[in-house]
Formats: sequence, structure tokens, C-alpha cells
Amino acid sequence: EPEVTQTPSHQVTQMGQEVILRCVPISNHLYFYWYRQILGQKVEFLVSFYNNEISEKSEIFDDQFSVERPDGSNFTLKIRSTKLEDSAMYFCASSAQTLSNQPQHFGDGTRLSIL
Amino acid sequence: AQTVTQSQPEMSVQEAETVTLSCTYDTSESDYYLFWYKQPPSRQMILVIRQEAYKQQNATENRFSVNFQKAAKSFSLKISDSQLGDAAMYFCAYRTTSGSRLTFGEGTQLTVNP
Repeated sequence: EPEVTQTPSHQVTQMGQEVILRCVPISNHLYFYWYRQILGQKVEFLVSFYNNEISEKSEIFDDQFSVERPDGSNFTLKIRSTKLEDSAMYFCASSAQTLSNQPQHFGDGTRLSIL
Repeated sequence: AQTVTQSQPEMSVQEAETVTLSCTYDTSESDYYLFWYKQPPSRQMILVIRQEAYKQQNATENRFSVNFQKAAKSFSLKISDSQLGDAAMYFCAYRTTSGSRLTFGEGTQLTVNP
């Protein structure tokens, strides 16, 4: 069964550095998402992306964050200048449709640790 | 804003028994979708079951079923004949019909005892 894959599984970065988290969505999916889960807290929506533009974003997704689909297969999340509070598990997801009951399929996540 | 609450941080069940995980939500919308996701240790979240709010009939997927009480804004998951492979974190999630974001509950860690 096709899966969403995320790399790396664990990323350690110094505070203030830029980090790029990578995701390969399921190949025939058109809608892409990023979520994060800070340790001990709920999974939180960050952003959704369709047709090469952001379709919805949360209040967490400020100017420090950006998303891109650089080559038609990868979907990336960039954090420009990381802060300690960015330490979290980041999940990528994709779906065939968005405004329907079609589920979002999740990757294993990338654990981001900011030192 | 919509919120989802799972009041049981941990639950345990004996193998072959039945367990019910609770979920409540708050919304002013009349139509929406509800989901239960399962996350085994160090693995990705996978969809267990979904429910459309406009459907009165409770969704069922093999050993998994829901009790959807729209007026009470309650969406519990029942797992029958529990198996060791059911051990996981279970997340309840909500989505409006007009938006893309999933709103998650805190999660319930289910342990299945042999």
C-alpha cells in the first residue's frame, strides 16, 4: 500500500539555524499538509497546500515557516531561524481530495530537536 | 473554534474483550467529518474509521464501530474482540466540510493485555 515518507526521521539543529523537513506524498494525491506535535501536547495543524499554493494555514504558521513542492514529488517544510519552541514531531500528510470525507494519510514524522 | 477532547489519557483491555474510547467535540457547524486514527509505537497514524455528521447510522469497520451522538457532540470508538495489535495511541479528529485542517484530541494510549 502506498505510504507517505518523511526524511530525516530525526533532525538535530542549533537554535537560529534553518532546517528543511522533507516529505514524499502518495503519488496520485494532490493535497498536502504539515502538522506538528510538541511533546505532551496535541497534534496541531500547520498548513495545507494545493496547486502550488497554500490553501489554509494556522496561526502557528508565521513568517518563519514556508512550504514548497520543488520538483513534483517532494513537499518540504522550511523553518528559517529555528527557536527552542520549534522542537516537536512534524508530520506530513496527503490526501486525494480535501473537501470531502477522504482521509489524510500520514507519514511517520520527523522529530526535530533544537539545541 | 472547534475543539476535540479525549478525557482518557490511558485505557487498558484484556485480549478478546471490548473497550470503548471516548471523544467529545465542540463546534457550531451542522455538517462535518469525524475520524479515529491509530498510531502504533514509532509508526505513522492510520485511519481506523470515519463518520459523516449528516449520516445518522453509526460507522462500522470490522471490529471497530463508533457511537455518534450528534446532539451530545460525542463520538466514541468501540473495539470488539481486542487483539494485541490494537495496542496504540488513538486520536479522535474533526474536520469541517469547508476546510482542510484536522483538529485532534489529546489521544488515548490503549494497552492490550494478553
